[in-house]
Amino acid sequence: GEDVEQSLFLSVREGDSSVINCTYTDSSSTYLYWYKQEPGAGLQLLTYIFSNMDMKQDQRLTVLLNKKDKHLSLRIADTQTGDSAIYFCAENTGGFKTIFGAGTRLFVKA
Amino acid sequence: DADVTQTPRNRITKTGKRIMLECSQTKGHDRMYWYRQDPGLGLQLIYYSFDVKDINKGEISDGYSVSRQAQAKFSLSLESAIPNQTALYFCATSHSDTDTQYFGPGTRLTVL
Repeated sequence: GEDVEQSLFLSVREGDSSVINCTYTDSSSTYLYWYKQEPGAGLQLLTYIFSNMDMKQDQRLTVLLNKKDKHLSLRIADTQTGDSAIYFCAENTGGFKTIFGAGTRLFVKA
Repeated sequence: DADVTQTPRNRITKTGKRIMLECSQTKGHDRMYWYRQDPGLGLQLIYYSFDVKDINKGEISDGYSVSRQAQAKFSLSLESAIPNQTALYFCATSHSDTDTQYFGPGTRLTVL
């Protein structure tokens, strides 16, 4: 069935780049998303990529999509303490259904 | 972003009580969703609605019911709350064109 997997934790030093990885199983995905959840808040859409794209860049964020391997990554350049949060990968498989991963908790050490 | 609001933000209740969580949106979206978040489990879909007259069960609808009172309002009810329904509940909306979902701030529910 459909599934989205991501590692639960990532720790980086302030100023370094963070790379959060995600794998998904449904090859018919149309959109893939990254959401950010800060403590006590809802999920905030960070960026998304169409399945016919390989890369999308938005300021400090770079999304890479490898459709062959069903692998999605989010790179955050110059990671700051304010980037500490849980990052969710999600795929839309067409129609209403969006499948979310369990989230990667990013810790940024000063 | 106050486009999707949820009330209450926090609620503590006892086993067996009826609880209603409310969601309102000003984004003009036709689709609305209720999710439950448990630590380490991501988001689980409870119910979703494509429009006022279209309500569908999600993955974990048992013990929950919903009402779509208007395009902008979607409420979630727990008819008889039980402790394993203690979780963070999120409402989300999307437009049928892209299905990109926008989330409310969440309701933290504790059932004692």
